Formats: sequence, structure tokens, C-alpha cells
Amino acid sequence: AQTVTQSQPEMSVQEAETVTLSCTYDTSENNYYLFWYKQPPSRQMILVIRQEAYKQQNATENRFSVNFQKAAKSFSLKISDSQLGDTAMYFCAFMQDNNNDMRFGAGTRLTVKP
Amino acid sequence: KAGVTQTPRYLIKTRGQQVTLSCSPISGHRSVSWYQQTPGQGLQFLFEYFSETQRNKGNFPGRFSGRQFSNSRSEMNVSTLELGDSALYLCASSLGAHRRIGYTFGSGTRLTVV
Repeated sequence: AQTVTQSQPEMSVQEAETVTLSCTYDTSENNYYLFWYKQPPSRQMILVIRQEAYKQQNATENRFSVNFQKAAKSFSLKISDSQLGDTAMYFCAFMQDNNNDMRFGAGTRLTVKP
Repeated sequence: KAGVTQTPRYLIKTRGQQVTLSCSPISGHRSVSWYQQTPGQGLQFLFEYFSETQRNKGNFPGRFSGRQFSNSRSEMNVSTLELGDSALYLCASSLGAHRRIGYTFGSGTRLTVV
């Protein structure tokens, strides 16, 4: 079974600085998709960034980028120029190519301090 | 276009009762998935519906059931409520075939069982 591990329950960062959230996963599949979702206090899960396993190039979305290491089964999220609005729970998620059962990590609570 | 709409936002029920939650996906999305989110267990997959058929099911007891209508709207039902069913129930929709895109989530229904 696929599992997703986020080893950092809580993190904090000063506004304008950079922070990296860790995620590892376990799978025997070769084709899959990885995602980072953000859940602010409003509760809605918001897609931050996604990565397709067959693409070697790391995904980037504005201030958000990933470091995807397929062999190590690692998928970390880097947030540059952190803003107060980035304060939220961040979930790493995994989805196989052949079904829609998205597996989530336990989450990392990120606090951006002014 | 409108996002994923879940109703109601909050619900308080008594142990032993049953409850029905509703989810309207993004227009054109044919896949609807349901997740239960609790502080202890995190996000757990309940089931997925595609074109009115249950396509995937998580590891939940038979008290949890769902259905999808021809307009892709979905309902989730929990019978004989237990205190442990208190959770945030999230609905997510997707096109169904394009897994690399990931899900769009609603804001959830907060169910409290007393």
C-alpha cells in the first residue's frame, strides 16, 4: 500500500524567508502523481503544486517549487519569500496512475511570523 | 466558474441518528470523492463516484454510503452515528480521467456527533 510521510508536524518561518517542507512516500508503482495542498483555517484544501513522476524537471509555481527525487521517493516543497498568508496546514499527497484514491500525509502546520 | 459546493457547512447530530451530506462538483467534473478528516487519523479516503457508479472504496464500515446523481452531484450518508464519526467531511471533484490535474476540494461539512 502506498504511504505518505511528513516528518515535520510543525514549522515556522520569518516573513520573506524561505522554508522547505519534507515529504517521503512509498510505492512500487512507476507512474504516479504527487501534490502539495494547503489548508488554511477556512478549511478548504487548495492545490499548491503538482508533479508527474515521469517528468524529471521539478515543478514550479511562482514562489512555490518542489525538489522531486524519484529514486529516494522524496518530494519536498520550498516556499520562497514567505508571506503571512502562507500560514496553513500543508499536506503532501500521492495518487497512482490507475485510480483516484489520493493518499495524504499527516500534514505540516506552517506558521509565518511577521 | 463555481467551485465545489458542500452543504451544510456545520451539522450537529445525536448518536444513533443518520445524516446526509451533499456535494455539488465543478461543472463538467464527473468524479466525486469523499474524505474524512480527523485530528487523529488525518485525511482518509471514503469512496469515489464516477458517472453514478462507485469506482473506489476506502476502508470504512458499511454505515458509510454514498451515491451520485446523473448531474454528478453526490450525497454521502452515515447511519447509526457514533461519537467517533465527528469529523470534517471533504468532497473533491475532478474530471475523472486526468489524474495529473488532481482534485478541487470543497470547504467541507463539519459534523459533530453528541
